[in-house]
Amino acid sequence: SQTIHQWPATLVQPVGSPLSLECTVEGTSNPNLYWYRQAAGRGLQLLFYSVGIGQISSEVPQNLSASRPQDRQFILSSKKLLLSDSGFYLCAWSAGATQYFGPGTRLLVL
Amino acid sequence: KQEVTQIPAALSVPEGENLVLNCSFTDSAIYNLQWFRQDPGKGLTSLLLIQSSQREQTSGRLNASLDKSSGRSTLYIAASQPGDSATYLCAVSGTGNQFYFGTGTSLTVIP
Repeated sequence: SQTIHQWPATLVQPVGSPLSLECTVEGTSNPNLYWYRQAAGRGLQLLFYSVGIGQISSEVPQNLSASRPQDRQFILSSKKLLLSDSGFYLCAWSAGATQYFGPGTRLLVL
Repeated sequence: KQEVTQIPAALSVPEGENLVLNCSFTDSAIYNLQWFRQDPGKGLTSLLLIQSSQREQTSGRLNASLDKSSGRSTLYIAASQPGDSATYLCAVSGTGNQFYFGTGTSLTVIP
């Protein structure tokens, strides 16, 4: 069966520090991968999606970036965090009609 | 761009009641619609998936319907239980590989 992992589960970072969140998927090949952000009291905002290694599409301009160095690995990064980057970050994968989500990373930027 | 709206934003019902959650979308050219459940601080769990050619899907006490032409979906929960308390989100997918989410309905079932 397929599983999706995200780490860390929780992260507290100062403004201006770098960020690296990792997502890995097991049990499937060539999945579509997604990064979402969920701010407090708001819906899910699609940040990036990838249909293959090295292929990244960005939905909104921001100071975040994403990379897919391996088929089942998706990384969300930032060089300098802003206060507004705080939120709940969710990774998801799909291989067709259904999306499957990871447990999420809660990021607090102080 | 596809916009997804969910009404109500919050709902509180006594245990045992039947309830309906609503989802509407602006672009009817969708491939499928999916209902999710999210518990506080957790990821999303898929509840039901309706393909664009289908009108409804059922799983246990849950029934989801889809009316593409009017851009609406409903999630019906029968005989609600306190364990049903969570936020329910709907998402639609269209051309490309993107999914568009509503802002969710926060459900509280009171024992």
